[in-house]
Amino acid sequence: AQSVSQHNHHVILSEAASLELGCNYSYGGTVNLFWYVQYPGQHLQLLLKYFSGDPLVKGIKGFEAEFIKSKFSFNLRKPSVQWSDTAEYFCAAGGASKIIFGSGTRLSIRP
Amino acid sequence: SQTIHQWPATLVQPVGSPLSLECTVEGTSNPNLYWYRQAAGRGLQLLFYSVGIGQISSEVPQNLSASRPQDRQFILSSKKLLLSDSGFYLCAWSGTEYEQYFGPGTRLTVT
Repeated sequence: AQSVSQHNHHVILSEAASLELGCNYSYGGTVNLFWYVQYPGQHLQLLLKYFSGDPLVKGIKGFEAEFIKSKFSFNLRKPSVQWSDTAEYFCAAGGASKIIFGSGTRLSIRP
Repeated sequence: SQTIHQWPATLVQPVGSPLSLECTVEGTSNPNLYWYRQAAGRGLQLLFYSVGIGQISSEVPQNLSASRPQDRQFILSSKKLLLSDSGFYLCAWSGTEYEQYFGPGTRLTVT
């Protein structure tokens, strides 16, 4: 069955700390991978995507993610978080017709 | 550029009443369209998706239905609302690499 797992439901970090949010997926066939972010009171926005090629992808606002096929993982990273990174982050996996989303990770940053 | 609209933004309806939520997309043609329900701590649940006019795929059997009467219009409906239909409903369309772009959402409260 197709699924996306985000094991961290709530992460609390201090400003300038490094971030890594875990994402594992189960998906048959060629998969496209995504991270979305939802800032408080705002729309869901695409943070970055992996379609093919270099498994290390860079997104907006200094975020990056690494696709590790052998581990079925697509973890999100940022070397130094800011208070403005407070948001909910969703990992997603899918193909041509639909995407499956994880349950989300709420990130709180202490100023 | 592409824009996605949803209305209404908020809606309060009594149990047993009908529902119609509308989503329209501008700036693209023949998009894939999606309806999701977002619940706190549970991510996004895909309800319906459509790859073309009149083509609807249902992901979760429930009290809701969807229709696509025009290329860039997607409607979520119910004949009789249940309390459990309360939630935040999101419409999305997909781009060239299957990434999805979300509308502002409709907050539905069934009383």
